[in-house]
Amino acid sequence: AQSVSQHNHHVILSEAASLELGCNYSYGGTVNLFWYVQYPGQHLQLLLKYFSGDPLVKGIKGFEAEFIKSKFSFNLRKPSVQWSDTAEYFCAVITGGGNKLTFGTGTQLKVEL
Amino acid sequence: DAGVIQSPRHEVTEMGQEVTLRCKPISGHNSLFWYRQTMMRGLELLIYFNNNVPIDDSGMPEDRFSAKMPNASFSTLKIQPSEPRDSAVYFCASSLGLAGGNEQYFGPGTRLTVT
Repeated sequence: AQSVSQHNHHVILSEAASLELGCNYSYGGTVNLFWYVQYPGQHLQLLLKYFSGDPLVKGIKGFEAEFIKSKFSFNLRKPSVQWSDTAEYFCAVITGGGNKLTFGTGTQLKVEL
Repeated sequence: DAGVIQSPRHEVTEMGQEVTLRCKPISGHNSLFWYRQTMMRGLELLIYFNNNVPIDDSGMPEDRFSAKMPNASFSTLKIQPSEPRDSAVYFCASSLGLAGGNEQYFGPGTRLTVT
């Protein structure tokens, strides 16, 4: 069965620092990849998604992610974080053209002023 | 659009009681998903429906859990009898179709505490 690994469980950054959150998946076939964000007390929202084409995907709020097939990775990046980016970030995958989202365990990001 | 609506937002109940969680998907969406979020296991898909029909319930933990979708605008997740280990946040999500690329829109969740 497919799985998603997010190695950073808690990340603390200062405002304006650069962010990279790791995501690796285990599946050898076709994948659709997603990053969701959950702000404190709110529901999950889609940040960005990859289906095909350009492996560098740009999402909302200045986030981007790069799909590296050879590394089975889909890391999330942002050049300069803001305090308002404090949230939990989830990587997720749909495999084989199906429809079941498998989520990683999430990364709690805290941005300090 | 109001988004996915879930009720109640918080539920506290005693072990052994029946719990019913409710979800109203986004109008026009024909796929509905129930997830459970816990510290230990993260976000897990419990069951999903397409056109009101359950497609995959392999994530339902045991027979105490059941889900229904009597029409396109309403779904329930029932736990009977409830146990303390069922304490979690339960999310409902809906999407337009089942294709892998269709974005799932999540509701605010129901925080369930079983004492």
